[in-house]
Parts: sequence; C-alpha cells; structure tokens
Amino acid sequence: KAGVTQTPRYLIKTRGQQVTLSCSPISGHRSVSWYQQTPGQGLQFLFEYFSETQRNKGNFPGRFSGRQFSNSRSEMNVSTLELGDSALYLCASSLTGGDGEKLFFGSGTQLSVL
Amino acid sequence: QKEVEQDPGPLSVPEGAIVSLNCTYSNSAFQYFMWYRQYSRKGPELLMYTYSSGNKEDGRFTAQVDKSSKYISLFIRDSQPSDSATYLCAMYRVFNNNDMRFGAGTRLTVKP
Repeated sequence: KAGVTQTPRYLIKTRGQQVTLSCSPISGHRSVSWYQQTPGQGLQFLFEYFSETQRNKGNFPGRFSGRQFSNSRSEMNVSTLELGDSALYLCASSLTGGDGEKLFFGSGTQLSVL
Repeated sequence: QKEVEQDPGPLSVPEGAIVSLNCTYSNSAFQYFMWYRQYSRKGPELLMYTYSSGNKEDGRFTAQVDKSSKYISLFIRDSQPSDSATYLCAMYRVFNNNDMRFGAGTRLTVKP
C-alpha cells in the first residue's frame, strides 16, 4: 500500500508570492491534516479536511488555506508569502479522523521563502 | 507553559545503550499517545501507539504511559546507529479530531 505522497518535495519562493502544495493520502483514507514544522515552533496543526470539508483549524492566519477533492487528495495554499513561512509542511492522513485513529505522515514539502 | 513538554536534547549514547525519552503534559483530556521517529528530511513515522496507562512493547521499543502523573516514556533497548533520529511524542484529546499536540522532539544520536 502506497504511503502519503506529497509534492513537490522542495520549493523556493520569494516574499509576496503564493504557493500550492499537494497531498495524496493513503488509499482509503478520507481525513487529511496539514502541519507546519519549524525548528523553533516544532509541529503545529494547520487544518484538517474530511469529505471535502474543513473540519478543524489551527491558529494560523487566513493566508493559509486548503481544500480537499472528492478523491480525498488535498491541496494547501499559502498566499502573500512571508520569510517566516519557511518550513517543512507535512500532510498526514487517517481513515476518518476519528478519535484514536493513527495518523500517517508524508515526507513533507520543504518551503524556503527568500 | 506548553501543553506538551519534551526535552529537545540532543542526546548521544553509545551503541547498545538503553535510551529513555520522556514527555510530560498538562491537559488530562489527552487520551491517545504516540511516539514518532523522524529521520532528517523525512516525515514523522509512527513508532508506538498507546491508549491506556501501562506498558506496550514492540521489539526493542517500549512505550509507557502514566496518566496519573501525566507522563509518557519511550525506552529503546540495545540501541543501534540506525536509531539515530528525532523522536517526537504526540497526543490528542478525545472529541478533537486529529488536532494533535506534539512535543518539541528529542534528537538522538547512537554512536557505533
């Protein structure tokens, strides 16, 4: 069974630009969550999608948005990039996102904002 | 105070040593506990998953949960150089779908 796939693996952008990251969950998984990982803040929850609906949201500004498609694939968008947005963006999937479900991560997209 | 506290290390041990990694948490609503291993430039990989207080063993790894003390541990026996990675504790609350809280991660190096 293929794992969680994230594309691209690396991205370099400049301040003010926007970026879209993609995530394909494990086959059969319908819940997709996004996390930001930085050396200073660690792993921080961005949002979770289930059945094309955002079900849970972390404490990030509105520049961070996402969506989920009918095949459970998800995209995350960051507009008006700032230097502080440089981070590893991780996508994770689980069956339904229910209590106690195991969360499986992709390898992440390393975003550098210059 | 952070909800989940984990000593970031770094921790360096010789091959074959027993490693103890720990996390404390402040919110008793946390009910599910996980340990992830993360190699450099990779995503976290689920290593151990526990719900109840007590010990859970899987090969050289033992996860321990003490809910009364709000303390979780991961023990690695006979540590190997391939265990060198960052270890993250993670937990989430009941009725809070996939809004997990992570520790800062402990960077472990096992020297041959």
